[in-house]
Amino acid sequence: DAKTTQPNSMESNEEEPVHLPCNHSTISGTDYIHWYRQLPSQGPEYVIHGLTSNVNNRMASLAIAEDRKSSTLILHRATLRDAAVYYCIRRSNYQLIWGAGTKLIIKP
Amino acid sequence: NAGVTQTPKFQVLKTGQSMTLQCAQDMNHNSMYWYRQDPGMGLRLIYYSASEGTTDKGEVPNGYNVSRLNKREFSLRLESAAPSQTSVYFCASSEAGGGRAFFGQGTRLTVV
Repeated sequence: DAKTTQPNSMESNEEEPVHLPCNHSTISGTDYIHWYRQLPSQGPEYVIHGLTSNVNNRMASLAIAEDRKSSTLILHRATLRDAAVYYCIRRSNYQLIWGAGTKLIIKP
Repeated sequence: NAGVTQTPKFQVLKTGQSMTLQCAQDMNHNSMYWYRQDPGMGLRLIYYSASEGTTDKGEVPNGYNVSRLNKREFSLRLESAAPSQTSVYFCASSEAGGGRAFFGQGTRLTVV
């Protein structure tokens, strides 16, 4: 099962939008795209998920490319509390297939 | 509002010892999962239980066994611990169909 591909790390300024990219070029038509984040020494926390259409919730937005080979997680106004490792995950049946994630650094 | 509770939080084992990691959820979820996370890596699925009474292997099941005791509880057993099993173990649960998952705080296991 092919895993997703993300940058190792990204930096952003506080109170600015953040766009976290993810490539999943071998995703099948029934696989959902999930995003979770993980703070140090904590369990992962759900952020958002989608299949084909763009999705919004109180935490973030998820923009999915028309060919579904890539997606972007958008944090509209990053705060220091958003500093974490963000995982773009392919959900295949019951399995969440995790990559190595992107470490997001927020600069005050 | 407990969510997913794992015990213990920390454990040190000697090679060859056995132990059981406990997990319980109070959200009435059908599906439960055990993952391991090695340093600098994402999570890898060990076993999952799609519903009460069923269990299936994930990506890295060797050296582990699981029991879905009831709808609330899903335990992970290491019969003969090895240093390669040193890791952080996470339990998770979700509604049927593998939707949004809720994770416990993890068990940090060291095998010496």
